[in-house]
Amino acid sequence: AAGVIQSPRHLIKEKRETATLKCYPIPRHDTVYWYQQGPGQDPQFLISFYEKMQSDKGSIPDRFSAQQFSDYHSELNMSSLELGDSALYFCASSRDLAREKLFFGSGTQLSVL
Amino acid sequence: SQQGEEDPQALSIQEGENATMNCSYKTSINNLQWYRQNSGRGLVHLILIRSNEREKHSGRLRVTLDTSKKSSSLLITASRAADTASYFCATDNGGVDKGGSEKLVFGKGTKLTVNP
Repeated sequence: AAGVIQSPRHLIKEKRETATLKCYPIPRHDTVYWYQQGPGQDPQFLISFYEKMQSDKGSIPDRFSAQQFSDYHSELNMSSLELGDSALYFCASSRDLAREKLFFGSGTQLSVL
Repeated sequence: SQQGEEDPQALSIQEGENATMNCSYKTSINNLQWYRQNSGRGLVHLILIRSNEREKHSGRLRVTLDTSKKSSSLLITASRAADTASYFCATDNGGVDKGGSEKLVFGKGTKLTVNP
């Protein structure tokens, strides 16, 4: 069965650079969630989209932005990267804002040097 | 803010033993879920328990929920080396139309090691 696809799997950037993370939800899933997980930490909610509109916002820095496109894939844009942005970034999807079971991708490991 | 807190933070047991992990949260919830994460990988949904349920079983998993104490426990029976992973609880407070939010809030997780 198709799963949530995230790309790239690994990303290495320098401080002050920009990065774009992509997420392709499971087919027919219209809701996407982004989470950030630091080493040894719990996943922290960043932002979510339902039907291409932002549905909720968490601890996402102003340097980050995200959107959901007409094909329901989502992109997380990160600018002016800082060392503290190094983390595993997960995307999860569900259908109709249903939070009873989120399907997670394998994540993008971002390292800022 | 609503936050699940797991204890213990780390648990090491022998194969065949039972593992119990606990989670506490702060606000009212619609449901509570448990997820498993292998090192550096995505989270996998294990089981969901609704606020009006007290206990639920799925295979070797048993989840309890005490809404009066705002706590939940996950029991893995007859553990196997393959159960080695981090386990997180996540709470859903019902969505914006119920005064909540459209997100799951994760706790800090318990790192379980099952030794062969």
